[in-house]
Amino acid sequence: DTGVSQDPRHKITKRGQNVTFRCDPISEHNRLYWYRQTLGQGPEFLTYFQNEAQLEKSRLLSDRFSAERPKGSFSTLEIQRTEQGDSAMYLCASRQRGGGRGTDTQYFGPGTRLTVL
Amino acid sequence: AQTVTQSQPEMSVQEAETVTLSCTYDTSENNYYLFWYKQPPSRQMILVIRQEAYKQQNATENRFSVNFQKAAKSFSLKISDSQLGDTAMYFCAFIIIQGAQKLVFGQGTRLTINP
Repeated sequence: DTGVSQDPRHKITKRGQNVTFRCDPISEHNRLYWYRQTLGQGPEFLTYFQNEAQLEKSRLLSDRFSAERPKGSFSTLEIQRTEQGDSAMYLCASRQRGGGRGTDTQYFGPGTRLTVL
Repeated sequence: AQTVTQSQPEMSVQEAETVTLSCTYDTSENNYYLFWYKQPPSRQMILVIRQEAYKQQNATENRFSVNFQKAAKSFSLKISDSQLGDTAMYFCAFIIIQGAQKLVFGQGTRLTINP
């Protein structure tokens, strides 16, 4: 168990460019969540996957955002035509299959900090 | 609406003191779990303590304990014998057991432990 990892840790881009972030969950965790955290605020839910299926998307996730989790392993979050308002920390979390005590706990990665100039 | 309110944006105490962070939440659901997460400066979010809403007994984890008042929808965190390493942002959050089980977070409390 090496924990949740995210890449890159920091990304600076110009407005209008596309960016892609990657999240590697804890192995055998079947659920993977993406959250967005703006400065001074708590994280807000964006979307989640159960295995490879994307089961829910927040209204925060505009059509410029797309997420995938091929083969139910790592996940990618792509933002097209970035805007300054997209500047935030993007957090990934994973959790194991439910049923037992503690399986509801989400384990977070270090996040990707996006700055759009 | 499902919301979490942390009314203390910042707190500061001396090392070894006891500190209590406040949290209230709102949900119409009956089956949920509550959490306190800690986010140290430039480091990732980690779980501090969790509480099942159906349990009346307050959860404890070493120096950390909660005061869960279900009727009042209140879930405060008490840190005893505070240490410098407790300096962090603390987030209160909950999940509804059915469905996505997505975390709903408060705005956070920035806690500073002074030497």
